[in-house]
Amino acid sequence: KAGVTQTPRYLIKTRGQQVTLSCSPISGHRSVSWYQQTPGQGLQFLFEYFSETQRNKGNFPGRFSGRQFSNSRSEMNVSTLELGDSALYLCASSAVAGGADTQYFGPGTRLTVL
Amino acid sequence: AQSVSQHNHHVILSEAASLELGCNYSYGGTVNLFWYVQYPGQHLQLLLKYFSGDPLVKGIKGFEAEFIKSKFSFNLRKPSVQWSDTAEYFCAVSGSARQLTFGSGTQLTVLP
Repeated sequence: KAGVTQTPRYLIKTRGQQVTLSCSPISGHRSVSWYQQTPGQGLQFLFEYFSETQRNKGNFPGRFSGRQFSNSRSEMNVSTLELGDSALYLCASSAVAGGADTQYFGPGTRLTVL
Repeated sequence: AQSVSQHNHHVILSEAASLELGCNYSYGGTVNLFWYVQYPGQHLQLLLKYFSGDPLVKGIKGFEAEFIKSKFSFNLRKPSVQWSDTAEYFCAVSGSARQLTFGSGTQLTVLP
């Protein structure tokens, strides 16, 4: 099975712009979660989507949003970019709806905000 | 709120040495526990996981971890490390929701 794919792999934006990141889960997986990884804050949960509905949200400002499509693919959007948004954004997918299942991660999108 | 502590930020070992990385968590309910590894330039990969049952779990590449409920710990072990084990290791916990809470990570450097 193909793993989680994320596009693009690298992005450079300037402050104030917006960005959209894309994630395709493992075939058959219906849950997609997003995480932000930075050297200072580590890995932090952004949000989770299941069956096109946001099920859980982390402690991030409203500039961070997402959605999931009927084919389980997900997008994440960050509006009005700030320098502190520079990070590796990771997408993870899992198969079942429930706590006891495993998340599999994609390679990430490296976002640099200038 | 759940939290995870990894007390060792950077561990340096010689090849063939034994490894133990500490992980302690704080959570009020039933937990699911994970160790992920991030090799240089690669994405996060699952090493092993614990949901229930035998508290000693075995993962890939010779790694194992023991869940000690009374100590809220899930330490990672390997009897003999190799140079190729150089990577960053993350302990993570989830509860009733699928959200993973990660520790700050431990950078392992194995000297040849």
